[in-house]
Amino acid sequence: AQSVSQHNHHVILSEAASLELGCNYSYGGTVNLFWYVQYPGQHLQLLLKYFSGDPLVKGIKGFEAEFIKSKFSFNLRKPSVQWSDTAEYFCAVSSSRGYQKVTFGTGTKLQVIP
Amino acid sequence: GAVVSQHPSWVICKSGTSVKIECRSLDFQATTMFWYRQFPKQSLMLMATSNEGSKATYEQGVEKDKFLINHASLTLSTLTVTSAHPEDSSFYICSATPLAGHSGELFFGEGSRLTVL
Repeated sequence: AQSVSQHNHHVILSEAASLELGCNYSYGGTVNLFWYVQYPGQHLQLLLKYFSGDPLVKGIKGFEAEFIKSKFSFNLRKPSVQWSDTAEYFCAVSSSRGYQKVTFGTGTKLQVIP
Repeated sequence: GAVVSQHPSWVICKSGTSVKIECRSLDFQATTMFWYRQFPKQSLMLMATSNEGSKATYEQGVEKDKFLINHASLTLSTLTVTSAHPEDSSFYICSATPLAGHSGELFFGEGSRLTVL
């Protein structure tokens, strides 16, 4: 069975600070990895994804994530956060054999203070 | 981008009644839709995988007679919470992925908040 662990439940940062949200997964095979974001009052939406290739993945709004296979990690980063990045961030994993069953982490609430 | 819509956005019902939540893919066809449940401060828990034209696949611990899923067409899946009780109060979210393209990305509905009195 696959599982996802997000270490930070609530993160508070000032604008322009750098962000790194941790994500570790557990799964015996090759995986697809995702970061989803949920802005206040909005749907979940995809921030970025990794299927194969370059382990450094760039997403929307200046976010990136690095897949480190040896560490089973897929941490999310942004060099300089903005107030508009205030949202909840979910790391997710699925088997690369079929994307259907996606397992989500518990989420990290990011609060950016102006 | 692909759009998934849920209805109703929120519903309040009395204990013992049944509630139906609809999930529609507005601009794409989806053979598979997924129903999640989200508790406060917790992750999204996959309840079941809804397959068009066949029975849903339920996750362990999810009562199939309690949470009836019907996927009658390529653009509509419904979740019916039967004989609802206060412990069924939760946020229910559906998602779908297009038949082609989008490389496995899930598109989510806006969610339906159920409150059972």
